[in-house]
Amino acid sequence: GAGVSQSPRYKVAKRGQDVALRCDPISGHVSLFWYQQALGQGPEFLTYFQNEAQLDKSGLPSDRFFAERPEGSVSTLKIQRTQQEDSAVYLCASSTQGAYTEAFFGQGTRLTVV
Amino acid sequence: KQEVTQIPAALSVPEGENLVLNCSFTDSAIYNLQWFRQDPGKGLTSLLLIQSSQREQTSGRLNASLDKSSGRSTLYIAASQPGDSATYLCAVNGPGANSKLTFGKGITLSVRP
Repeated sequence: GAGVSQSPRYKVAKRGQDVALRCDPISGHVSLFWYQQALGQGPEFLTYFQNEAQLDKSGLPSDRFFAERPEGSVSTLKIQRTQQEDSAVYLCASSTQGAYTEAFFGQGTRLTVV
Repeated sequence: KQEVTQIPAALSVPEGENLVLNCSFTDSAIYNLQWFRQDPGKGLTSLLLIQSSQREQTSGRLNASLDKSSGRSTLYIAASQPGDSATYLCAVNGPGANSKLTFGKGITLSVRP
């Protein structure tokens, strides 16, 4: 597709359940980012991939969060044993390689943990 | 640690008014700065990207300026319209080489007909 695609758009999970969020970046984009946006806040960085290599995971809030991009294209963010504080919008962005390039965002996945 | 501030958090103006949205950041060692628009329940739409070597960028009724040394950027919206109502987010890339963005909390703009 022409833009960054995320699925599902909405996810309701019971506390303790595992979830998987998918991001399909713009074709050819080397860099992929995950961000978490709490209600009324700006997005906060979670993790960064360059191709299949996860170069920075300093923003992941706990070891329950795991991200992968095995073939350097589609990425999955997995949250194990979800808790209420995990409720947020999870945004994926992609860009061409380099620090000077523009980031393009997907529509996000709204996760609600009940 | 880079911090980005956007004040005020919300703004309400009558249609037709020219307005300025402010953004400040603490570390001037940035690669670029991006302004985004976010509609309720939606993702982020990139409006303007200013490289660290540039002073401003323009797109239609939007003009963004960057003063890297003072850690400030402004987004100017000319002749505002009700359709401009949204949250506007400022984000900086840097310092550091991994291209992650640090965002402000955004300014929620309401343009009254």
